[in-house]
Amino acid sequence: AQSVAQPEDQVNVAEGNPLTVKCTYSVSGNPYLFWYVQYPNRGLQFLLKYITGDNLVKGSYGFEAEFNKSQTSFHLKKPSALVSDSALYFCAVRAASGGSYIPTFGRGTSLIVHP
Amino acid sequence: EPEVTQTPSHQVTQMGQEVILRCVPISNHLYFYWYRQILGQKVEFLVSFYNNEISEKSEIFDDQFSVERPDGSNFTLKIRSTKLEDSAMYFCASAWTSGSYEQYFGPGTRLTVT
Repeated sequence: AQSVAQPEDQVNVAEGNPLTVKCTYSVSGNPYLFWYVQYPNRGLQFLLKYITGDNLVKGSYGFEAEFNKSQTSFHLKKPSALVSDSALYFCAVRAASGGSYIPTFGRGTSLIVHP
Repeated sequence: EPEVTQTPSHQVTQMGQEVILRCVPISNHLYFYWYRQILGQKVEFLVSFYNNEISEKSEIFDDQFSVERPDGSNFTLKIRSTKLEDSAMYFCASAWTSGSYEQYFGPGTRLTVT
């Protein structure tokens, strides 16, 4: 069975500082990995995905994520946080082939960026 | 930019009542999904729908649940007899393919069962 762990319920960072939101996963075979962001009273919005190729993936709003196969991680990063980045962030994984095409989501990490 | 819409935004119902949650997916998408998120918990998959039939469903999606695409635009989730534990945020999502493509989510319907 596939699973996602987001070990931090909340991440606090000062505006202008770099941020990291952690995600580790478990899946059979190669993974497809996704990050979504949820703003208050909104649905989940796609940020970026890793399918294949370069381990560093760039996405919307200046976010990027690094796929690390040996550590089964896909941490979300941004060099300089904005107050407007404050939101709930979800990591998701599904197997690249075989089995279900349905992604499994993590519990979410609340990112709070302080002015 | 096209987006998934859901109505109502908030539904309050009494235990045992039937509710229908409505979604309008992005128009050229072919795959449709329902998820739920109980307050403070993870987003859980309920069901996926393609070519007018259920393609996958989770253990949560029991006989009390059904989905329908009654016309070319709407995608509905029906809960026949609601239970207190059905209280959650329900998200509809759609995708162009079931492969590597990301899903597009609606804003959700908050269902409160009293």
